Amino acid sequence: QVQLQQSGPGLVKPSQTLSLDCSVSGGSINSGDYYWSWIRQHPGKGLEWIGYIHHSGSTYYNPSLKSRATISIDTSKKQFSLKVTSVTAADTAVYYCARNSGGYDTIDYWGRGALVTVSP
Amino acid sequence: QSALTQPPSASGSPGQPVTISCTGTSSDVGGYDYVSWYQQHPGKAPRLMIYEVIKRPSGVPDRFSGSKSGITASLTVSGLQAEDEADYYCCSYAGSGNLVFGGGTRLTVL
Repeated sequence: QVQLQQSGPGLVKPSQTLSLDCSVSGGSINSGDYYWSWIRQHPGKGLEWIGYIHHSGSTYYNPSLKSRATISIDTSKKQFSLKVTSVTAADTAVYYCARNSGGYDTIDYWGRGALVTVSP
Repeated sequence: QSALTQPPSASGSPGQPVTISCTGTSSDVGGYDYVSWYQQHPGKAPRLMIYEVIKRPSGVPDRFSGSKSGITASLTVSGLQAEDEADYYCCSYAGSGNLVFGGGTRLTVL
């Protein structure tokens, strides 16, 4: 059973960089069948796709984040990461890491989510 | 890319069917057979219920089904149960590697 475990600070100051890691267990991060996603959910709101990465390093991002988001992968650590620069209160959200498999739309495993608050 | 359009709420009595719609454009829902649906209970991570418009992962009850016509996808729960009360989100591939979610629908079992 694939498990995704997120880690990172729960509080970030405005204008600084939000950084989160996601550790993958119970499955291979190297498989060509998967993309590894970050998705966020503002308090009381819907889901927003941030982007995803393949083990080869290819990445796709939601254009709405305007290049503030960067996703990287370290296959030796079985881990992928998210950085969001120049954060504001609007970046306060629960951040989920997840696995896309098969078709583009198929997000079959999710982490438990991590609340990140942007506040002075 | 704009969020897909879902009704904010839906409801039904136990045992009754309910359908939730998800309307996009020809660049997302209408352009690809890559629409998925997620169930989210309060404080929990979303759960995949339907993928590639009509496919159901193992472990998902067969009372959940998906369909699509043109730019609108739908999730139908054929016989509501109390545990189906949750938020539901659709998601579509939007080309060039992009994904887009719907705004979500709160399903209430009366």
